[in-house]
Parts: sequence; structure tokens; C-alpha cells
Amino acid sequence: DIQMTQSPSSLSASVGDRVTIACQASQDIDNFLNWYQQRPGKAPKLLIYDASTLDTGVPLRFSGSGFGTHFTLTISSLQPEDVATYYCQQYDNLPLTFGPGTKVDIK
Amino acid sequence: DVQLVESGGGLLQPGRSLRLSCTTSGFTFGDYAMSWFRQAPGKGLEWVGFIRNTVYGGAAEYAASVRGRFTISRDDSRGIAYLQMNSLQTEDTAVYFCTRGAWFKELVWGDGMDVWGQGTAVTVSS
Repeated sequence: DIQMTQSPSSLSASVGDRVTIACQASQDIDNFLNWYQQRPGKAPKLLIYDASTLDTGVPLRFSGSGFGTHFTLTISSLQPEDVATYYCQQYDNLPLTFGPGTKVDIK
Repeated sequence: DVQLVESGGGLLQPGRSLRLSCTTSGFTFGDYAMSWFRQAPGKGLEWVGFIRNTVYGGAAEYAASVRGRFTISRDDSRGIAYLQMNSLQTEDTAVYFCTRGAWFKELVWGDGMDVWGQGTAVTVSS
């Protein structure tokens, strides 16, 4: 199975800050990577697929980059509604696997 | 609007069975694979499995942790996906989510494919 790791596990930032979350795969997954946002008590919501493509309706302050084993999710200007846990997920091979999540809150 | 609504969750004892339903609306159900994920209390997300749509043979794939105990099926005429869970264990306690589509090879549609239901809670406890 492909193992996914994320860092940091949590972070606290101010409104307007640039926030970066890292995700690493245990083997090359090309660009087969999703980023999800899960607000407290809600279902996950897809933000980015194919490592860097924004899903429909996702605000432009979210961006993704990376290829192979190292990936990054960036929020260019943190907003109060971005308080959530963010997960990366690989879909290069079965089983589909997720990172452990990064919890983001407002300082 | 595309909607997915899970139902059928509840509290039950280890070893029992339960069937979850995912009732959909707002899209052509037969055009999409359907997936199930779960999230144990306070934990991260786990893929459970998916079922291909008929065009791709209709077969299902499963996580190792549920293979042989869980079965995913679909009723294209009613727009419903099912998750039959047998021999339930305490480790199966989670919120179960169904999603439209499947992130795997030819099943990936990309933009707008991924829609989640609100989830249904399953608690397995003696």
C-alpha cells in the first residue's frame, strides 16, 4: 500500500496569512493526488485533483503543486471559513489512501 | 442539484449485519461509479470500496479491511448504491460516506465528479 504523510499535523495562522501544507507519498504517484477540506462536523469536500487542478467552485486562494512523491497545498490568504482539516489522498493505485490530515485554525 | 443521502446506520452488536443505502438525485446515476468511505470517531478518512458503472463491467473493489465481509451493489433503475456489511466488528464503528464517482483509472471524470453525502453513523458495540 502507498503510505501518505502530511506536515504539519496542525497549524494556527492569522487571517490573511499564507498557509502551506505538505504531503509526501511513499512511492511515485505521478500527479494522482487529491486535496480535501473537511470542516468540523461536515463531509469532506474536494478542493484539488490531479495535484494542481481546482475542482469546480473552489476559491482561487487554494492552489496545489507537486509531482511524484512531494506535494503542497497552499492557501494564499487564510479566511475564517478555511478552518478545517485538510487531507491529501493518492489515487495512483488501490487501495486509495489518505494522509493523516492537517488541522488548520485561526490564531 | 446533485444530492447523495446515506441512510441505514445505527447501533448494533458485533457479528451482526447492516445494509446502508445511498439514495441519489440530480444526475444520471448509471453514468458514474459509486464509492464508499468511512471515518472512525476522531480519526482520518478511509476508503472502503467502489463499484464500477455498467459500462465498465459493474465490478467492485474493496479495501483489505472489509474484503469478504462488505459488498457494494447498485440499483441503476432507482439511483441507489448499497453497502452490505456482514460480520461487523467494533473497528467498523465509523461515519460512512458515499460519493459519486471513483478515483481510479478510467473511472475518473475529473472536474465536478466528486460529490459526497452527509454520512450515516454506524456503531458496533456489545
